[in-house]
Amino acid sequence: GNSVTQMEGPVTLSEEAFLTINCTYTATGYPSLFWYVQYPGEGLQLLLKATKADDKGSNKGFEATYRKETTSFHLEKGSVQVSDSAVYFCALKGSSNTGKLIFGQGTTLQVKP
Amino acid sequence: GAGVSQSPRYKVTKRGQDVALRCDPISGHVSLYWYRQALGQGPEFLTYFNYEAQQDKSGLPNDRFSAERPEGSISTLTIQRTEQRDSAMYRCASSPPRGTGTLDEQFFGPGTRLTVL
Repeated sequence: GNSVTQMEGPVTLSEEAFLTINCTYTATGYPSLFWYVQYPGEGLQLLLKATKADDKGSNKGFEATYRKETTSFHLEKGSVQVSDSAVYFCALKGSSNTGKLIFGQGTTLQVKP
Repeated sequence: GAGVSQSPRYKVTKRGQDVALRCDPISGHVSLYWYRQALGQGPEFLTYFNYEAQQDKSGLPNDRFSAERPEGSISTLTIQRTEQRDSAMYRCASSPPRGTGTLDEQFFGPGTRLTVL
């Protein structure tokens, strides 16, 4: 079945450091891929998405490229801020019409000033 | 406009009691999803509605869990004879009709934290 695997956290970085959070997936067909973010005390928010191979999703300085050859959707940001501290979830939506999302286990990012 | 709302935000109950969790989706959203999230894990799909029709309930763990959306808007997730292992965050999400410019995006509510003693 479809699944998502994320790198384990927590990830601790200094402000302005480069961020990579790895995400790989297993899916049949052509899934859509997502990154969701959960800030402390808040609900899940969509950060970015990509719906086909080689698409790059981007938002708030974050980027992720849909790589079908490596079944990956790694999240990157060139210079993190303290306000980026949150839990990041990689997710996929399969080719069927149900729309259900399959999430990875989440990666906690802590950015120190 | 208002986002997805869920109530109660926190529910503490004793083992064996029934609980009902409510989700009020964004107005005009036709699809509604329920997820369960254990501590330190990602959300896990439970069930999905399109309008009032329950399209997929493959994620409901057993027959103690049920959900309804009788008028195609508010949904209720009911857990009967609760057990300690049911303790988790229960999240609801809704999404707009296809073709409205936000394809595939699900908007999540704040969740209901259920604790079964």
